[in-house]
Amino acid sequence: DAGITQSPRHKVTETGTPVTLRCHQTENHRYMYWYRQDPGHGLRLIHYSYGVKDTDKGEVSDGYSVSRSKTEDFLLTLESATSSQTSVYFCAISESTRGRGRWNTEAFFGQGTRLTVV
Amino acid sequence: DAKTTQPTSMDCAEGRAANLPCNHSTISGNEYVYWYRQIHSQGPQYIIHGLKNNETNEMASLIITEDRKSSTLILPHATLRDTAVYYCIVKLRGNEKLTFGTGTRLTIIP
Repeated sequence: DAGITQSPRHKVTETGTPVTLRCHQTENHRYMYWYRQDPGHGLRLIHYSYGVKDTDKGEVSDGYSVSRSKTEDFLLTLESATSSQTSVYFCAISESTRGRGRWNTEAFFGQGTRLTVV
Repeated sequence: DAKTTQPTSMDCAEGRAANLPCNHSTISGNEYVYWYRQIHSQGPQYIIHGLKNNETNEMASLIITEDRKSSTLILPHATLRDTAVYYCIVKLRGNEKLTFGTGTRLTIIP
C-alpha cells in the first residue's frame, strides 16, 4: 500500500470551530488532493497541490483552505466549520511516471477522515 | 478534460464477466481513460488505464473503441468482492486535476 496517512480518522467538532485535517505521505509524490464525499454523491475535489506551495481550487473549495509547506504534508483547514461540511474527507497522492511507452498518473487514496460538525 | 457518461447501476452474476461501459465522445487525442473503483467506505482504488490500445492487468481488461469515443472495463470472473462503485475518468496528461463523476454502482449477485 502507498504510504499515505490521514489524521485524525474521526472528528466531531462544533459549528464555528476551526478544524485542520492532515494528509501525510512517504512516497515523495508531487501531486496531492483533498476530496469530500457525501451520501449519494461521488467524490468532489476540494483543492489540489502540484508542488510545495503550489495549490489550486477544485469544484467545492468555498469554506476550505489548504497549505503545503513541504512535499509530504498537505493540510486542509475549515476556517469556521459548518454543518454542511459534515462529510468523509479523502486525501490522495499521485505522480506521473512513464512505462511501456505510455504515461501513468495513478492516484493512491488515504483511508478517509469522517468529520461531523454539530 | 472530456466528460464521461456511465450507467448509474448494473448487476452481474458471480463468476460471470462484468462489462462496464463508459462513453467519452468528446475525448481528445492526448487524453487517457482511467478506471477506479470504490468499495464501500474505502478510498478509491486504481484499476487500469489506457490511451488507444486495449490493456489488461491482473485486475481487469480495458477495451477502447477504435474512435476512442467509448470504452468498456471488463472484470473477467466477477466475485462478491467486486461489488463497488466504478469510476471512468478521462484525463489529459499534464493536467493533474483529477475529478470524479458519479460512477456505476456494480452489484455482484451470488
